[in-house]
Amino acid sequence: SQQGEEDPQALSIQEGENATMNCSYKTSINNLQWYRQNSGRGLVHLILIRSNEREKHSGRLRVTLDTSKKSSSLLITASRAADTASYFCATAASGTYKYIFGTGTRLKVLA
Amino acid sequence: GAVVSQHPSRVICKSGTSVKIECRSLDFQATTMFWYRQFPKQSLMLMATSNEGSKATYEQGVEKDKFLINHASLTLSTLTVTSAHPEDSSFYICSASGLAGGMRDTQYFGPGTRLTVL
Repeated sequence: SQQGEEDPQALSIQEGENATMNCSYKTSINNLQWYRQNSGRGLVHLILIRSNEREKHSGRLRVTLDTSKKSSSLLITASRAADTASYFCATAASGTYKYIFGTGTRLKVLA
Repeated sequence: GAVVSQHPSRVICKSGTSVKIECRSLDFQATTMFWYRQFPKQSLMLMATSNEGSKATYEQGVEKDKFLINHASLTLSTLTVTSAHPEDSSFYICSASGLAGGMRDTQYFGPGTRLTVL
């Protein structure tokens, strides 16, 4: 399977704490994206990081990319209860626009 | 901007019937649309990629005669689940990529359609 792996599979933290999720993938990529999905809903695009970038920020989100290790991390700082959701990474292999999703991390932020 | 809608949001049908799901890009032209299915607490599995005006490309293990995809215009793609059975019950999500620039890199997702086959 080309599907990426994410860890942890589930994460439970207190409001205000930081949450870190990791994603590993298998092929050379054009870019990597992170998405959020609330239970039973569609996906919301969070951030895209290109293969020539190492770090990117958007609000409380910080994404890193290490192409040598084929891994990425998503950090959510000062988490809120509303951040409770599943988070997925998605990668497109070099030369394609077809994205493969990781296994996902289920984040629960306790108020 | 970059809104994708799906219709219906939820459908319940009897075994043996066919169900059509529509995916529309509301404010941009989508050269490519993707169809995914998602089982409870699992990730999205890509079913097929469709380009406007051409046949869809199906992923390995996805029956093209079972899941008919039509991408008739730059704003509409449809997925028809033919002769649905209970094992087809799932959450189906479409996404769309735009024509130019950054829109080619990002997929914009619809809200999903929950199919329940009795």
